[in-house]
Amino acid sequence: KAGVTQTPRYLIKTRGQQVTLSCSPISGHRSVSWYQQTPGQGLQFLFEYFSETQRNKGNFPGRFSGRQFSNSRSEMNVSTLELGDSALYLCASSSPDASTDTQYFGPGTRLTVL
Amino acid sequence: DQQVKQNSPSLSVQEGRISILNCDYTNSMFDYFLWYKKYPAEGPTFLISISSIKDKNEDGRFTVFLNKSAKHLSLHIVPSQPGDSAVYFCAVSISNFGNEKLTFGTGTRLTIIP
Repeated sequence: KAGVTQTPRYLIKTRGQQVTLSCSPISGHRSVSWYQQTPGQGLQFLFEYFSETQRNKGNFPGRFSGRQFSNSRSEMNVSTLELGDSALYLCASSSPDASTDTQYFGPGTRLTVL
Repeated sequence: DQQVKQNSPSLSVQEGRISILNCDYTNSMFDYFLWYKKYPAEGPTFLISISSIKDKNEDGRFTVFLNKSAKHLSLHIVPSQPGDSAVYFCAVSISNFGNEKLTFGTGTRLTIIP
């Protein structure tokens, strides 16, 4: 099985722009979670989508949004970029088997805001 | 190919006993190792870490052991408490020029039985 894929792997934007990141989960996985990883804050939860619905949301401003498509692929959008948005954005997918909560992480998208 | 493996998706331990969670990695370049704990509907939170210059780090009930030759990391929780029931992720990184990109394992669900 192919792993979780994220595109693009690297991105450079300027303040005020917007960006869309993409995540393709492992085939058969219907849950996709997004995380922001920074050296100072560690790993922070953004939101989780399951069957095209946002199921959980972390404590991030409304500039951060996401969606999930019928094939379980997910996109994350950040509008009006700020310097502090520079981070590694990880997505993780989970199996429908809720008894294990195993999450498979993608390689991440490194976003740099100038 | 998974660079970090947690081969036990789930583990059940009696309250008061020791919980041992294991993690194996493949790349000997990894030199910083962390454990995260995740409750349902929340993002993972940092628990404890260890650098490759040490083989043991202790913080209260939590102890992390590193066996570099075996490329093996373990987390011991003694004594286990009901509040320890969560999913535990190990994470590894190469601390090179400030690069703190973490690579996560798939997680182990720990259930503490009262």
